[in-house]
Amino acid sequence: DQQVKQNSPSLSVQEGRISILNCDYTNSMFDYFLWYKKYPAEGPTFLISISSIKDKNEDGRFTVFLNKSAKHLSLHIVPSQPGDSAVYFCAASDYQAGTALIFGKGTTLSVSS
Amino acid sequence: KAGVTQTPRYLIKTRGQQVTLSCSPISGHRSVSWYQQTPGQGLQFLFEYFSETQRNKGNFPGRFSGRQFSNSRSEMNVSTLELGDSALYLCASSLTTERSSYEQYFGPGTRLTVT
Repeated sequence: DQQVKQNSPSLSVQEGRISILNCDYTNSMFDYFLWYKKYPAEGPTFLISISSIKDKNEDGRFTVFLNKSAKHLSLHIVPSQPGDSAVYFCAASDYQAGTALIFGKGTTLSVSS
Repeated sequence: KAGVTQTPRYLIKTRGQQVTLSCSPISGHRSVSWYQQTPGQGLQFLFEYFSETQRNKGNFPGRFSGRQFSNSRSEMNVSTLELGDSALYLCASSLTTERSSYEQYFGPGTRLTVT
């Protein structure tokens, strides 16, 4: 049973446009969410996180939105750059219970110039 | 500050053998987690160690085990290797206190191929 789902395996966007990556979760106890980016032959790199007490968190070109009622979060990248081309993983956890991170299967973003 | 290091980077083993992978966390990080990444499966959590104790465990068979040393370095062992164990094994470290801190810093991974 997949608790964290990234239903789009891939996304292609033109440079300068907005990239929107989506993630759905099923466990209502999840209260902390993160996005990681992974380049080939490297480990994932932490991008941005959000707690369930917020519905939005911004860091430069990256914004994460959380819709608790829909159990949905999204990562917006504006403007997209070719260097953003990577695999993006969504992760979630029940922070209060101290559980481990549960990752989605990832979305491959390709930004063309 | 040096990042998370994993050794070896690549490994080829035969079915039935066992393997030990090593991870050195970022200096000062006391929590080490291990993940398995296979094509199309994302990152699946194996286990987490904090202060030499296993704090969390994923849903993997007992053939997968790990340990952490007093200097926070960690090893994971897979016994009786199966073809399906071929994967990228990632180690991540984090600063943490009572609960897992989730800003984890990943190493480059060990690519294990079982033939």
